Amino acid sequence: DTQMTQSPSSLSASVRGRVTITCQASQDITNSLNWYQQKPGKAPKLLIYGASDLKTGVPSRFSGSGSGTHFTLTINSLQPEDIATYYCQQYADLPLTFGGGTKVEIK
Amino acid sequence: EVRLVESGGMLIQPGGSLRLSCAASGFSFSSFAMSWVRQAPGKGLEWVSGIGIGVSGDNTYYADSVKGRFTISRDNFKKMLYLQMNSLTDEDTALYYCAKSWAAGIRDYFDSWGQGTLLTVTS
Repeated sequence: DTQMTQSPSSLSASVRGRVTITCQASQDITNSLNWYQQKPGKAPKLLIYGASDLKTGVPSRFSGSGSGTHFTLTINSLQPEDIATYYCQQYADLPLTFGGGTKVEIK
Repeated sequence: EVRLVESGGMLIQPGGSLRLSCAASGFSFSSFAMSWVRQAPGKGLEWVSGIGIGVSGDNTYYADSVKGRFTISRDNFKKMLYLQMNSLTDEDTALYYCAKSWAAGIRDYFDSWGQGTLLTVTS
């Protein structure tokens, strides 16, 4: 199974600040990596697929990068509505696996 | 508009069985793979099972934690997804989400999720 390790597990940043979340795969998954946002009490929502493709309708302050085993989700100019937990998910092989999540809070 | 509505979650004793259902609407259900993803209270997301298009049993996949105990199935005519769960333990306590794949294959991204149905396994 491909293990996904996310870091940090939580972070606090200022409004309009920059947030970087990393996701490390235990083996090469090329660009088979998605990012989801989950707000409290809500279902997850897709932000980025294929490591760097922004889902239609997602604000452009969200971006993804990386390939192979190392991936990054960046939020430029953090907004109050971005408070959520973010998860990476690999789909290179089965079972599909998620990272442990990163909780983002406002400082 | 894509809509996924889960049902069937309840409080059940260890060793029991239960079937979860997911009613789909707003898209061509038979053309997309579907999965169940669960989230234990206060924990992260865990993919449980997925089923490709078609109704043959060889297009079903499971996490090791549920293999042999859970069975996923779909009724394309009724636009329903199911998860039959047997030999339940307290580790199966979670909110169970029904999730739609973007494409026909399971190995892709989930572009729509239901709101979840809560299973609590306790004596």
